[in-house]
Amino acid sequence: TQLLEQSPQFLSIQEGENLTVYCNSSSVFSSLQWYRQEPGEGPVLLVTVVTGGEVKKLKRLTFQFGDARKDSSLHITAAQPGDTGLYLCAGATSGSRLTFGEGTQLTVNP
Amino acid sequence: EAGVTQFPSHSVIEKGQTVTLRCDPISGHDNLYWYRRVMGKEIKFLLHFVKESKQDESGMPNNRFLAERTGGTYSTLKVQPAELEDSGVYFCASSQAVGAVGNTIYFGEGSWLTVV
Repeated sequence: TQLLEQSPQFLSIQEGENLTVYCNSSSVFSSLQWYRQEPGEGPVLLVTVVTGGEVKKLKRLTFQFGDARKDSSLHITAAQPGDTGLYLCAGATSGSRLTFGEGTQLTVNP
Repeated sequence: EAGVTQFPSHSVIEKGQTVTLRCDPISGHDNLYWYRRVMGKEIKFLLHFVKESKQDESGMPNNRFLAERTGGTYSTLKVQPAELEDSGVYFCASSQAVGAVGNTIYFGEGSWLTVV
């Protein structure tokens, strides 16, 4: 059974601070996705990383895929209250079946 | 363009009763998925349809769960009889292509199921 461990589970920070969320597994994934979910809504795709060592940036968000394609990180610079939400990592192997982490609930206080 | 829509948004039923959840994927999306999140756990894959065919149903927990996608359009997920541990959020998702690379999977808002 493939597992993705996300940490931290909860994170509460002040506006302007930086943060990093980690996603780790003992399994190799062909790609890894990061989603953001807000209350009452479904997960929304932020980014897909495919190549080991790949780094992608989305405004203040930086996503990295580990060299061995077993882990990933999401770094947010100068967090804003609008960044508040549940961040989920999800690994893909064959087909479209995704293995999700438990998520990181981020709260950015003004 | 409408996104993935799910019905009902919330359902409270008694143990032993039957519930049917419906999902309407984005128009033109051949791939339809069911996932669920039970309390305190991660979102887990249930099954994957390609058009009307079950491509992968390895995540279905037991034979109390039945998923259908007649005609390859909307899908239903029936739980019969429901048990307490079936409580959670059931997400439907759809995509045009198969695979995560270069392919966006769109999730619905989820159907919250509470079994009492």
